Amino acid sequence: SQQGEEDPQALSIQEGENATMNCSYKTSINNLQWYRQNSGRGLVHLILIRSNEREKHSGRLRVTLDTSKKSSSLLITASRAADTASYFCATDGSGNTGKLIFGQGTTLQVKP
Amino acid sequence: DAGITQSPRYKITETGRQVTLMCHQTWSHSYMFWYRQDLGHGLRLIYYSAAADITDKGEVPDGYVVSRSKTENFPLTLESATRSQTSVYFCASGLGESGYTFGSGTRLTVV
Repeated sequence: SQQGEEDPQALSIQEGENATMNCSYKTSINNLQWYRQNSGRGLVHLILIRSNEREKHSGRLRVTLDTSKKSSSLLITASRAADTASYFCATDGSGNTGKLIFGQGTTLQVKP
Repeated sequence: DAGITQSPRYKITETGRQVTLMCHQTWSHSYMFWYRQDLGHGLRLIYYSAAADITDKGEVPDGYVVSRSKTENFPLTLESATRSQTSVYFCASGLGESGYTFGSGTRLTVV
């Protein structure tokens, strides 16, 4: 399988704290993407980081990518109750196939 | 309306019946995908398509058939539904380098 593990599987924090989720993968990638899924809804694209990038920011989101360790992390700063959701990383393997494989996700609960 | 639409939203079918889930996007995106989501398994790729008339297997293609005669449509057919195919099915589309847009999902129950 192209995809590895995400950890933690579940995370519970207080509003205002930072949340960090990690993702590992197994094969070479073209890019790595993070998605959010609110309960009972479809997935929403958050951020994409290419294999030649090491860090990317979007609002309160910060993504890092370490291709030597085949790992990525998603940091949500100053979390809000509305950030409560499941977060998934997905890898687009090398070769420009467009084939996107997901990890099992991290469930984040932000308590008000 | 612009977007990606899945139909039906909910479907109950009997074991052994053929059922088709529809996916339609209005952006002329080249890539389209079908995933299933089950507790404990996250999202698993069933089939994907890089363009009209080009489809390829994903992680769990057995028991499913797809076609893509038009860029905007990517129907998924369960030829003979089994209880193990009870799941939530998501369709997605995109251009490949800027992330993908997901539909709202079809909740399929096979009884």
